[in-house]
Amino acid sequence: QIQLVQSGTEVKKPGASVKVSCKASGYSFTTYGVTWVRQAPGQGLEWMGWISPYNGNTNYAQKFQGRVTMTTDTSTSTAYMELRSLRSDDTAVYYCARRGTGRDGYNLYAWLDPWGQGTLVTVSS
Amino acid sequence: QSVLTQPPSASGTPGQRDTISCSGSSSNIGSNAVNWYQQLPGTGPKLLIYNNNQRPSGVPDRFSGSKSGTSASLAISGLQSEDEADYYCAAWDDSLNGVVFGGGTKLTVL
Repeated sequence: QIQLVQSGTEVKKPGASVKVSCKASGYSFTTYGVTWVRQAPGQGLEWMGWISPYNGNTNYAQKFQGRVTMTTDTSTSTAYMELRSLRSDDTAVYYCARRGTGRDGYNLYAWLDPWGQGTLVTVSS
Repeated sequence: QSVLTQPPSASGTPGQRDTISCSGSSSNIGSNAVNWYQQLPGTGPKLLIYNNNQRPSGVPDRFSGSKSGTSASLAISGLQSEDEADYYCAAWDDSLNGVVFGGGTKLTVL
């Protein structure tokens, strides 16, 4: 079946970096994008950006520009999200999700499915 | 403060019909498709509705979505206890050049 399996829990100190992995299986990895979304404790969902494994093109949320890098390794069907200069408010569960697209007449639409199980990143001194 | 506005909570009794609203603007819902995600307690989100009103395979037809202008709605008929979850709307925002989510609605089945 189609699934995304993420790396395990991380504990980092302020100022450090974290790199979360997301291994895809059950579909053609280069046919779909990979989106990253985070969720702070007790809070809602926040879109961080996405990457096309086909050509490496990325689109980052303005909030994370300069601090985040998304990459893929097509040989292992794995996507990575690195976040640098960590702060305490970066403490969150980080999710990857497969990004698919479709066309409805002239309109293009996108969806996220499935999602990984999430990776808890705790930033604390 | 989320770009899309949802009520923080909703409730209903088993068998009832409930509706969750999602309000946006011309740069997001007004010009792009809306998706809905369900997040059960302690789990990651799951796609519930895409392209305003389409259900992925496996999603019961008790769940339906609609959109009008800059607002969207998720309707759940025949409420069941397993529908207790957080529900999020999402859409692309042309001004922000990114996906925006609602703040989430916690549905309680009494």
